Amino acid sequence: GDKVKQSPSALSLQEGTNSALRCNFSIAATTVQWFLQNPRGSLMNLFYLVPGTKENGRLKSAFDSKESYSTLHIRDAQLEDSGTYFCAAEAGYQNFYFGKGTSLTVIP
Amino acid sequence: EAAVTQSPRSKVAVTGGKVTLSCHQTNNHDYMYWYRQDTGHGLRLIHYSYVADSTEKGDIPDGYKASRPSQENFSLILELASLSQTAVYFCASSDWGGAYEQYFGPGTRLTVL
Repeated sequence: GDKVKQSPSALSLQEGTNSALRCNFSIAATTVQWFLQNPRGSLMNLFYLVPGTKENGRLKSAFDSKESYSTLHIRDAQLEDSGTYFCAAEAGYQNFYFGKGTSLTVIP
Repeated sequence: EAAVTQSPRSKVAVTGGKVTLSCHQTNNHDYMYWYRQDTGHGLRLIHYSYVADSTEKGDIPDGYKASRPSQENFSLILELASLSQTAVYFCASSDWGGAYEQYFGPGTRLTVL
């Protein structure tokens, strides 16, 4: 089965609203990265996390290694937030596992 | 800001032909990676390298070779391209020091006909 499960798989948000994306791990993740793949296909780094939380503007992410999950919160969603969000967990040396992504559409 | 470039950005190849995808980074990073992304899926690791002249297998190395002639350059080679290798290929780099935050290139869209 999938080692990293992302939910939801797709999401539509009204501009200005908030939402949370989640990754559940069936592996012993030690670090997590979150990326946004924009409609052109480029991968942009959002967060790199050891267990704990980070915040950057309207985005906030948390990683709980004991409970094996990570979340990405989007506050006051904007049109430019649209794209596919991926989480990637590291479990062991150079063992990286990506989720299948959450496709986010922000609606005016 | 990390800088990873890839060439070509897109390529059409014939089945059985040889394909070489190139990656160049200017970050002075030790680690470099090749991933493939299939439609509707996340990325899967093909090969990686932690030093020039050395490469390591990732999760899906079959049908691929890699070459790291210098710290800055990392190539992915498909000796006999097959239809199943149609995908988008991403190169990434990361630094050494216990934190392998990866920075990705723009991707190469490969179509094998």
